[in-house]
Order: sequence, then structure tokens, then C-alpha cells
Amino acid sequence: DAGVIQSPRHEVTEMGQEVTLRCKPISGHNSLFWYRQTMMRGLELLIYFNNNVPIDDSGMPEDRFSAKMPNASFSTLKIQPSEPRDSAVYFCASSHRGDNEKLFFGSGTQLSVL
Amino acid sequence: AQSVTQPDIHITVSEGASLELRCNYSYGATPYLFWYVQSPGQGLQLLLKYFSGDTLVQGIKGFEAEFKRSQSSFNLRKPSVHWSDAAEYFCAVGARGNTGKLIFGQGTTLQVKP
Repeated sequence: DAGVIQSPRHEVTEMGQEVTLRCKPISGHNSLFWYRQTMMRGLELLIYFNNNVPIDDSGMPEDRFSAKMPNASFSTLKIQPSEPRDSAVYFCASSHRGDNEKLFFGSGTQLSVL
Repeated sequence: AQSVTQPDIHITVSEGASLELRCNYSYGATPYLFWYVQSPGQGLQLLLKYFSGDTLVQGIKGFEAEFKRSQSSFNLRKPSVHWSDAAEYFCAVGARGNTGKLIFGQGTTLQVKP
């Protein structure tokens, strides 16, 4: 398996623009998580899905952030409009719920909002 | 409040020396505890986890960790550090049945001197 695949690896955009981050979880995993990593706040859970359904989005910072999981093999995290304080590394992770198993992380998307 | 504290932001050890990274947690329920490692530009990889049973757990790459309930600690150790161990290490806590929703510490950066 190729692991969790995120795209793009790097994204540079201007303030006010829409940004879409993409994630393909490991096949067979039924839980998907979006984390954000910043120097100031460390790693924070933004939202997670079980069986494509959003379960907890309490970590989503503002309404500018939205996430979808239209099927078991794809998820997006969208920021509209983007702001400089959104600059961070965004990680997607997946796991097989119920096994108390480990999270598998993607390599992340480095987002810079100018 | 639920939290994870890693008191040491940065640690430098000589290759071949022993290592201990500290982690303290505050969690209302019985915690599931994890150590993850992040190499530059990469996602996080699970080193080891503690759910129950033997309080000394073994992980990958020769790492081990000891759960001490009385001290609310879960320190990571390695008897002999290799140059390839240089990375950032994260301690995390999660709940039973939902171990993807993790609270991470701020991380400890390990530098290894030749």
C-alpha cells in the first residue's frame, strides 16, 4: 500500500484565495483525520470522519474551513478565503476504527498564505 | 483540562549515549498513550503505544516507554542512540475506542552529536 497520500505537498497562495487540500487514505481504513501543525499551537485535530461521516469538527477554527469526504477513498479540506494565519502544515491520517490501532499519517501539505 | 506536556523542547545527546524523553499528561479518563516520531518533511510514525497491561512497552527502532500512573508520566527511553534517531518526538494521549482523536504534546527535538 502506498500509505496516506496528500496533495499538494506545498501550496503558496495569496490572502483571500481559496485553498483545497486533498487526501487519499489507506484502502480499508474507515476513519480519517485532519490535523494542523504550527509552531505556536503544535498539532491540533481539526476534524475526523468515521465511514465518511463527520463525527467531530470542534477543532475547525472558523467557518472559513470546511471538510468533506464524498467516499471512502478521498477527502478534502478547504479554506475560503485563506488568511496568513492559516499558514501551517496540514496532515491527513487514517486508521481502522475499532482496532485501537495506530494512525497512519500522510507527509503533509505545507501551506503558505501570503 | 486534558493536556500533554513535554518539558524538554530540545535535547542533544551523543551517539551511543542513552536517551530519555519526558512526557506528562492530564486526562480525565484512563488514557491510551502514544509516542510518535517525525522526521523532517515527513508525517508522524508511531513508535509505541500503551493501552493496558505491562507498564513497560517496547516499540520500534529499539525504543521503550514506561507508564507510571502515580506520576502521570509516559517517558520514552533508548539505551543507545543512533545518528538516525535525530528527529522530533511527540507524546500523545487518546481515549479508549477513539484513539485517532489525539492530544499531542508540543514535541521534543532530538539532536544527535557524532
